[in-house]
Amino acid sequence: QKEVEQDPGPLSVPEGAIVSLNCTYSNSAFQYFMWYRQYSRKGPELLMYTYSSGNKEDGRFTAQVDKSSKYISLFIRDSQPSDSATYLCAMSVSGGSYIPTFGRGTSLIVHP
Amino acid sequence: SQTIHQWPATLVQPVGSPLSLECTVEGTSNPNLYWYRQAAGRGLQLLFYSVGIGQISSEVPQNLSASRPQDRQFILSSKKLLLSDSGFYLCAWSPGTSGIRTQYFGPGTRLLVL
Repeated sequence: QKEVEQDPGPLSVPEGAIVSLNCTYSNSAFQYFMWYRQYSRKGPELLMYTYSSGNKEDGRFTAQVDKSSKYISLFIRDSQPSDSATYLCAMSVSGGSYIPTFGRGTSLIVHP
Repeated sequence: SQTIHQWPATLVQPVGSPLSLECTVEGTSNPNLYWYRQAAGRGLQLLFYSVGIGQISSEVPQNLSASRPQDRQFILSSKKLLLSDSGFYLCAWSPGTSGIRTQYFGPGTRLLVL
């Protein structure tokens, strides 16, 4: 079992839909949770960063962490064609090295 | 604000030729630096990371090496490229001492070995 599991998709939705992107993980020591957006042929861009459990909102984006279920989500409201990209989750433990474990990414397509 | 640069953006090299990819970070001191390779459908593979000048840790045995000659400069090298070295190479940095675990990525170098 991989430490971080993420469905590669593609996930195709109409413009304006609410998108839910998810990752599951097996290491209960993970405390830091991140979401990156990667456009084709570009480097990943940090979208959201949360520590431990709970929700965090930034504009149309909401990150949610459920440590009891070892499950994290990224919600995108009012999705736009410009949101079409690959979304990677990443997580790391508290202490030790600064190296996160990444999911393989979910490809999202928002069609007009 | 912090900025990370990588060059070149694209590189086509013959098998057996040498490689040098450079990454520099601006606007921060003592960053942790990382080299990743991203192959289609295989996610991010960590190749090297560095917590300081001259300090390099290798995650996987391979045909590549890394060096950190200055605090904000990270170089990925190879003496002889293999076909399997083709891929998208990403440099990243994270704050060295603040305890924040986020990484920030550069624009990447697309390498094609023929």
